Amino acid sequence: DGGITQSPKYLFRKEGQNVTLSCEQNLNHDAMYWYRQDPGQGLRLIYYSQIVNDFQKGDIAEGYSVSREKKESFPLTVTSAQKNPTAFYLCASARGLAIYNEQFFGPGTRLTVL
Amino acid sequence: GQNIDQPTEMTATEGAIVQINCTYQTSGFNGLFWYQQHAGEAPTFLSYNVLDGLEEKGRFSSFLSRSKGYSYLLLKELQMKDSASYLCASSDSNYQLIWGAGTKLIIKP
Repeated sequence: DGGITQSPKYLFRKEGQNVTLSCEQNLNHDAMYWYRQDPGQGLRLIYYSQIVNDFQKGDIAEGYSVSREKKESFPLTVTSAQKNPTAFYLCASARGLAIYNEQFFGPGTRLTVL
Repeated sequence: GQNIDQPTEMTATEGAIVQINCTYQTSGFNGLFWYQQHAGEAPTFLSYNVLDGLEEKGRFSSFLSRSKGYSYLLLKELQMKDSASYLCASSDSNYQLIWGAGTKLIIKP
């Protein structure tokens, strides 16, 4: 079955530590996205990528980094520079960047900083 | 600026009809999406409107008025499994979606 997976589902980290969230898709999609979801707020775009080895900052990229070495994979690193990292992180993919392309979401990773 | 507004929470009765409204202000508008999100889960696609009018898909319909910057999602014959948050998202000219905070729909028996 084609789909998009994220791991782990729950993640705890101590302040000052970097942590990497995994996102893998086997839908053969070119575009991939990382969003952050906080209570009472809409999804906010962290980074997106439309092709391997290329990615763009979204609205809230500070304190985060990504890589796109393979079409299937788009890992997100939450660095110690991110001041308020506790949130629900969602990865999504789409056939392309064209806006009519539906985005498919992974199950999400809930990150808690202790 | 760019903004999406939708009600925070709505309550409806099983078997009834509910309309969830969404107003938007985005530059370079290229269409409007509705997604459903059950608590703690991933959003799933419901509809995409780019032209004015009503699009029907089974129990769910979505309406768009570009001149008014307004959309609604209509859910008929409500079922308990429809209890979820409904996210409205408007596209902008930079291939990005501007998301509303979501409307939490509570279905009562």
